[in-house]
Amino acid sequence: EAGVTQFPSHSVIEKGQTVTLRCDPISGHDNLYWYRRVMGKEIKFLLHFVKESKQDESGMPNNRFLAERTGGTYSTLKVQPAELEDSGVYFCASSRTVNTEAFFGQGTRLTVV
Amino acid sequence: AQSVTQLGSHVSVSEGALVLLRCNYSSSVPPYLFWYVQYPNQGLQLLLKYTSAATLVKGINGFEAEFKKSETSFHLTKPSAHMSDAAEYFCAVSEDTDKLIFGTGTRLQVFP
Repeated sequence: EAGVTQFPSHSVIEKGQTVTLRCDPISGHDNLYWYRRVMGKEIKFLLHFVKESKQDESGMPNNRFLAERTGGTYSTLKVQPAELEDSGVYFCASSRTVNTEAFFGQGTRLTVV
Repeated sequence: AQSVTQLGSHVSVSEGALVLLRCNYSSSVPPYLFWYVQYPNQGLQLLLKYTSAATLVKGINGFEAEFKKSETSFHLTKPSAHMSDAAEYFCAVSEDTDKLIFGTGTRLQVFP
């Protein structure tokens, strides 16, 4: 069974550009989470999808971040326009139900220059 | 509000020595507690979790953690470190095993 897959693994963009991160959860997992780790700090929750619906988006930093999960399968996280402070590692995780283990992807390292 | 404090961003031990990684939590409700490990170039992997059953939780790779409510702690231990244990370890808390609140991580180095 394939694990959680994230694309790209690395992205370097200029300030003001747009970047879209993608997450493919484990097949059959209704719950999908996005987290972010800014260098040297803790991993912070961004948002939680249940199927295609946003269950909790309390961690989204601002309106430059847009997450979607059309059809309840893969999810995208778009940053537009990117700022320097958006640099970090973005993790995606999925779980079958909220009471079962969440499996994490390898993360996307985003660098905004 | 829930929070997690991991004391020591870096811990170094010799191969064969005891590993002790500290985690203290704050929670207004009985918490669920987790330890995750991230090996180089890999995603986060669940080591173990506490969900209000036994206070001593055994995980993978010989790790275990003890939930101590009086000390609000959930320290991770392993009796004998192996070179392959070198990684970054994250403690996390959750109210309902849903959204995770992570600590800042502890990088473990193991010397031969």
